[in-house]
Amino acid sequence: GGIITQTPKFLIGQEGQKLTLKCQQNFNHDTMYWYRQDSGKGLRLIYYSITENDLQKGDLSEGYDASREKKSSFSLTVTSAQKNEMAVFLCASSILGAEQYFGPGTRLTVL
Amino acid sequence: GQQVQQSPASLVLQEGENAELQCSFSISTNQVQWFYQRPGGRLIGLSYIPGMKPTGKQTSSTVTKGRHSSLTISSSQTTDSGTYFCRGNNKLTFGQGTVLSVIP
Repeated sequence: GGIITQTPKFLIGQEGQKLTLKCQQNFNHDTMYWYRQDSGKGLRLIYYSITENDLQKGDLSEGYDASREKKSSFSLTVTSAQKNEMAVFLCASSILGAEQYFGPGTRLTVL
Repeated sequence: GQQVQQSPASLVLQEGENAELQCSFSISTNQVQWFYQRPGGRLIGLSYIPGMKPTGKQTSSTVTKGRHSSLTISSSQTTDSGTYFCRGNNKLTFGQGTVLSVIP
């Protein structure tokens, strides 16, 4: 079976900083996703990528950049961290349209 | 875009009781996936319609006319406690989740 890893597990930044979260998968899936999960709320899609070098905006893309450097990795950048950015960021991968597999998440705290 | 509503927002079960969780889509969907998340844990896919992949939990899910899905949790156990999410495929949007607490 495959695995999705996210680094770092915990990320603490200062307000205004540019912060990058990384995700790697070895399922050989074409599609990768970044979601944000706020306490007590559902998941909201930030960006997804159907294939290497592809980038599609989700509902919450403002304030974020993403980069699909290669098929196995998908990075998310918070362009300017804000106090209300405290959340868990979840990465997922799938064959397009099929079941998604999720990583363990990166918990972001902004001081 | 597609909106996804889940109900109830939370519920408490006595161990052994059954429950039905509901998911509604503003736009018809032909694929529904349910996820389970233990507090602080990762999301785990419970089922995928079509092509059901039961995980060993006594659950079943149905899709009605592409706009509704229900997840049945049978003979609940305390280890079933957590948050359950659903999503369709028309847009990559999840519901807000149902928090389930099963007490002994």
